[in-house]
Amino acid sequence: DAGVIQSPRHEVTEMGQEVTLRCKPISGHDYLFWYRQTMMRGLELLIYFNNNVPIDDSGMPEDRFSAKMPNASFSTLKIQPSEPRDSAVYFCASSRTVLTFGAGSRLTVL
Amino acid sequence: GQQLNQSPQSMFIQEGEDVSMNCTSSSIFNTWLWYKQDPGEGPVLLIALYKAGELTSNGRLTAQFGITRKDSFLNISASIPSDVGIYFCAGQSGATNKLIFGTGTLLAVQP
Repeated sequence: DAGVIQSPRHEVTEMGQEVTLRCKPISGHDYLFWYRQTMMRGLELLIYFNNNVPIDDSGMPEDRFSAKMPNASFSTLKIQPSEPRDSAVYFCASSRTVLTFGAGSRLTVL
Repeated sequence: GQQLNQSPQSMFIQEGEDVSMNCTSSSIFNTWLWYKQDPGEGPVLLIALYKAGELTSNGRLTAQFGITRKDSFLNISASIPSDVGIYFCAGQSGATNKLIFGTGTLLAVQP
């Protein structure tokens, strides 16, 4: 298995632009999580899905953030419009029992 | 969001030394996990603990699930340079797979 696959690995964009981060979970995993990592706040859970259904989105910072999981093998995290304070590493992780992380998407908003 | 208190924040040690770090919470957890994150990568699971009082080893790593279910510690014996990284504890409560992560311990090992 290739593990959790995230794209892009790096993105640099300008304030106000739309950003879409993508994730392919491990096949057979029924939970998918989006985390954000910053120096100041550490690893924060943004949202998680079970069987493609959003279960808890209480960690989503504000309405500019949205996440979807249209099927068991794909999820997106969208930020529109992006702001400099959104700069962080965004991790997707999936699990059946044990949480496995992707390599992350490093986002820089100028 | 909720976070676990992890200490120390950072450690700078000599190769061969033993390392100890711990994690505390105001909440009870049913599962404690320890992850390691290398630069530019996502966290990778090291050890999972499922029962209060459980002591589990994985090579040079030993972790314990506290009796109160509100804490856990991780020991690394005879550290080597490749142990460098950030170590995170994580707790899971209830019936969900939702994990809350600690603030991390940065480990630097001097050869």
